[in-house]
Amino acid sequence: DAKTTQPPSMDCAEGRAANLPCNHSTISGNEYVYWYRQIHSQGPQYIIHGLKNNETNEMASLIITEDRKSSTLILPHATLRDTAVYYCIVRVTSGSRLTFGEGTQLTVNP
Amino acid sequence: NAGVTQTPKFRILKIGQSMTLQCTQDMNHNYMYWYRQDPGMGLKLIYYSVGAGITDKGEVPNGYNVSRSTTEDFPLRLELAAPSQTSVYFCATATNLRGSGNTIYFGEGSWLTVV
Repeated sequence: DAKTTQPPSMDCAEGRAANLPCNHSTISGNEYVYWYRQIHSQGPQYIIHGLKNNETNEMASLIITEDRKSSTLILPHATLRDTAVYYCIVRVTSGSRLTFGEGTQLTVNP
Repeated sequence: NAGVTQTPKFRILKIGQSMTLQCTQDMNHNYMYWYRQDPGMGLKLIYYSVGAGITDKGEVPNGYNVSRSTTEDFPLRLELAAPSQTSVYFCATATNLRGSGNTIYFGEGSWLTVV
């Protein structure tokens, strides 16, 4: 699995959009980009994933650059409950070894 | 559908004791993983398995052992507990279904304290 780089922390005002970047410059053609988040000490929770097209679901949007070397997770209207550590990982769906980086600690402020 | 079940949820061990963290899944997933997470840190891969009878080391395997005799179960064994193994342990499973949405499922975690 390709290595990812994320900023260690970010802040966002409640009600504003939170844009979390992820660099995955060594991604290969068959690797998907996944985003998970971890609230406090719970197990990580799936948010969204994509291959090369932008994706949107009820939780977030995922924007992947045309060269696929980076992506941005967008939480359109952040709430206090979105405060969490957000992990970006890249994975071949048939791959085996699965590692996480340190993630980004997002703090949503009132 | 229980998903991924970890037991115990909490445990206190004395230095030098041994124990097994259990992980069971009912989704027929081939891939299973054990992670540890120290306070304020990210998830570190301990061991993983791509199917029954096959296991491999992750990033931090020292002090741990695993086995995978069935698709459903992936126990993690601590033979001689040390304070450095105080952590939260997460078991996860994954599918290999291309484009199927969420493919990684986590258990709720096991809190282990070694004193």
